[in-house]
Amino acid sequence: DVKVTQSSRYLVKRTGEKVFLECVQDMDHENMFWYRQDPGLGLRLIYFSYDVKMKEKGDIPEGYSVSREKKERFSLILESASTNQTSMYLCASRDPQGPEAFFGQGTRLTVV
Amino acid sequence: QKEVEQDPGPLSVPEGAIVSLNCTYSNSAFQYFMWYRQYSRKGPELLMYTYSSGNKEDGRFTAQVDKSSKYISLFIRDSQPSDSATYLCAMSVGDYKLSFGAGTTVTVRA
Repeated sequence: DVKVTQSSRYLVKRTGEKVFLECVQDMDHENMFWYRQDPGLGLRLIYFSYDVKMKEKGDIPEGYSVSREKKERFSLILESASTNQTSMYLCASRDPQGPEAFFGQGTRLTVV
Repeated sequence: QKEVEQDPGPLSVPEGAIVSLNCTYSNSAFQYFMWYRQYSRKGPELLMYTYSSGNKEDGRFTAQVDKSSKYISLFIRDSQPSDSATYLCAMSVGDYKLSFGAGTTVTVRA
């Protein structure tokens, strides 16, 4: 079974803090994604990566950056957390040969 | 205008009813059409997918794609309380990024 593991289920951070969300997948997938999920808005793509050290902006990249130093790990960075970044963050990986994306359990981030 | 539109509901039905969910989209280049199911406090999991137009059936679930109308549907027959979840439609051009609808929350009452 494909496994996508996010480092934290719940996080509480203060405004202005630098926040790191970590994601690891074990199926050697090239493509990895970070989404945020908000009620009524569904999943919105923040960033994605199709290879090590490669990244592309998604629909809402402002206030975020990413890092992919190893194929299995994709990190989302909030440079200076703000309250409007309170959300559920979902990491996913995808094999280019098939349509299915595999998701982690999500990290519920609260910025106070 | 959003690339993928989905009515967020919520939808509440009695056990045994047919659940009908749908999405519309604007990008005619979409090739893969997917339905994900998300239980509370979990990540989404793929339920079904269709490549291009047509119907696909898997047990109690049927997915339909009408590319001429840019409209996709998911039907759940003989719905069960265990079907209570949020259902998200998703679409992609090849292996590129997935674009999601807002998700519809479904409750099946016993």
